[in-house]
Amino acid sequence: EAGVAQSPRYKIIEKRQSVAFWCNPISGHATLYWYQQILGQGPKLLIQFQNNGVVDDSQLPKDRFSAERLKGVDSTLKIQPAKLEDSAVYLCASSSPPGTSGGGGETQYFGPGTRLLVL
Amino acid sequence: AQTVTQSQPEMSVQEAETVTLSCTYDTSENNYYLFWYKQPPSRQMILVIRQEAYKQQNATENRFSVNFQKAAKSFSLKISDSQLGDTAMYFCAFMKRPGNQFYFGTGTSLTVIP
Repeated sequence: EAGVAQSPRYKIIEKRQSVAFWCNPISGHATLYWYQQILGQGPKLLIQFQNNGVVDDSQLPKDRFSAERLKGVDSTLKIQPAKLEDSAVYLCASSSPPGTSGGGGETQYFGPGTRLLVL
Repeated sequence: AQTVTQSQPEMSVQEAETVTLSCTYDTSENNYYLFWYKQPPSRQMILVIRQEAYKQQNATENRFSVNFQKAAKSFSLKISDSQLGDTAMYFCAFMKRPGNQFYFGTGTSLTVIP
């Protein structure tokens, strides 16, 4: 079973530029999460999708961050314009629908992350 | 709101010894799960162990076990027979139901010393 895929793995941009990250979850996983992990901290949830609907985006800075999951499969997270404090690793995770046997819904599987540096 | 606290930013243990990582959480929810995730240097996050709040029996996965004290809202991870490959950041996480929102602690950096 293929894992969660993310691209690019690394990105360096200057402040005020825009950037986009892509995530392809594990096949069949209905729930997709985007996290921001600043160096030395735990992951902070930015947005959670259930299929193509938003479950929670309360911590997403909506003035500059946007995310979509149009067909309920892969997802894109965009930052426009970027600030220095956006330098972080952006993690994507997915989980199978709640109630799925063998660990469904309760276990997240993480991608390798995209490391963003804003200069 | 849910909060997860890991009070040990860094820990070290001798190879083959046992170490315990602490985690406390605060919630008013009754239906939730608790997790320990491992993040090796420059590598992706992987699940170590999970505990369902309604189960009294502590979860065990090979050398990893938890001490789940629901009333005290405590969820510690014990690593037995520590190996060099256990060197990593360890994150405690809480997931509430319904909704499956996750909350992570700030992590404990564990170093296994040869």
